[in-house]
Amino acid sequence: QKEVEQDPGPLSVPEGAIVSLNCTYSNSAFQYFMWYRQYSRKGPELLMYTYSSGNKEDGRFTAQVDKSSKYISLFIRDSQPSDSATYLCAMRSGATNKLIFGTGTLLAVQP
Amino acid sequence: DVKVTQSSRYLVKRTGEKVFLECVQDMDHENMFWYRQDPGLGLRLIYFSYDVKMKEKGDIPEGYSVSREKKERFSLILESASTNQTSMYLCASSPQTSGRFLDTQYFGPGTRLTVL
Repeated sequence: QKEVEQDPGPLSVPEGAIVSLNCTYSNSAFQYFMWYRQYSRKGPELLMYTYSSGNKEDGRFTAQVDKSSKYISLFIRDSQPSDSATYLCAMRSGATNKLIFGTGTLLAVQP
Repeated sequence: DVKVTQSSRYLVKRTGEKVFLECVQDMDHENMFWYRQDPGLGLRLIYFSYDVKMKEKGDIPEGYSVSREKKERFSLILESASTNQTSMYLCASSPQTSGRFLDTQYFGPGTRLTVL
C-alpha cells in the first residue's frame, strides 16, 4: 500500500464549477500538508500549505486536513480554464525534510 | 524570484552510457533534491542534499549517484544508463528553515531523458 493515495483522474469540469481534489494517507505521523500545481511541461509549484488539521483559504482555493480520517482535500471555487493542470498533494512528518508526493490528479476546466 | 535551472530539457542516450544531469539554483538554498516523475507513480525522491558534499539516499537511489561540490549545483549521475531510467527528472531546492519555507520546494522545468 502506498503511503499517499491520490486519484489520477483525469477530471474534466465546466468553467465555474467547484472542484474537489483529495488524497488519503496511511502514516499518522504526517503533520505538514501541501498542494502543488504542475502545468504541462513545467515543474510543480507550491499552491497551498497547511500544518496539522483544519482549513486554510487563499482566494478561490481552500485546503482541508482531517487527520482523524487521514484525508486531505483541495477545493477550487469558480474554476477557470487557467486552473487546468496536475495537482499533487504532498506531506511529511516532523522527523524528516522529505516530502511524500501523491501521484497527482489531472484537472481540465472546459471553457 | 527563485530560479532553478536544469542543463537540458530533452536528452536521448544509449544503454550503458554515463549520463550527467546538472541542476543550478540561484537562491543560496541549503537543500537540493532530485526526483523522477513517471505516469501513475508520481514524484519519487532519488537523492537529496542538505549541504555541500553531503548527500542522502531517497526512496529509489539504485542506479544513480549524486555530486554536490558547490552549494548552488547538484548533479545526478547515471553510471550506466538503462531503458528503465527513461523518465522525467526534476530538480528542486529549498531553504533550511522551518515550516512553510522548508516545504516550499522550488522546481526546475525538468529533463526528459530517453534511454534507447
